[in-house]
Amino acid sequence: GQNIDQPTEMTATEGAIVQINCTYQTSGFNGLFWYQQHAGEAPTFLSYNVLDGLEEKGRFSSFLSRSKGYSYLLLKELQMKDSASYLCAVRSDSWGKLQFGAGTQVVVTP
Amino acid sequence: EAGVAQSPRYKIIEKRQSVAFWCNPISGHATLYWYQQILGQGPKLLIQFQNNGVVDDSQLPKDRFSAERLKGVDSTLKIQPAKLEDSAVYLCASSLSRGGRTDTQYFGPGTRLTVL
Repeated sequence: GQNIDQPTEMTATEGAIVQINCTYQTSGFNGLFWYQQHAGEAPTFLSYNVLDGLEEKGRFSSFLSRSKGYSYLLLKELQMKDSASYLCAVRSDSWGKLQFGAGTQVVVTP
Repeated sequence: EAGVAQSPRYKIIEKRQSVAFWCNPISGHATLYWYQQILGQGPKLLIQFQNNGVVDDSQLPKDRFSAERLKGVDSTLKIQPAKLEDSAVYLCASSLSRGGRTDTQYFGPGTRLTVL
């Protein structure tokens, strides 16, 4: 079957670093996306990986290992506004369809 | 640039009633998606349009859900009749093309449906 797993919740202190892991088993692979979703709002695009390695974008970085079916999103210098759900999504074919994990709720404390 | 527009934002109905949601994608975006997001879960694709043609509707409960995108621009999603388990947020997303290397889906604010 097809499965995308990520932790349910993580708590970290303002200014710290948090790493959100995502493992996937899908019938195909054509890219992995990370989205941020604040409560009651739409998901917003954070990052995209299709090749192995690290993609850095400001305070956020995303890593992919296709052979291991593994990705992580790294959030540095955490701010209170980073409290949100982070969704890992895999595009498994060339038609654009995304399969989402259940999301990881990140709680940033003062 | 205007984002994806959806209406209504909230809807409360009784079970067995009908409801319709509307979506206007980002101008020029050929691909449109409808997702269902149940509380505590990630979005699940219901249907994908490429222009006005259906690409994927494998997870659409076709006995009660229908969707159309007649002119290849805006789209409507309908539920008839609604069940309690249809309570969810219905998200519309659009992308410039389909599955390209850096094609990205942009989401609208969603419609929160409560079925009583």
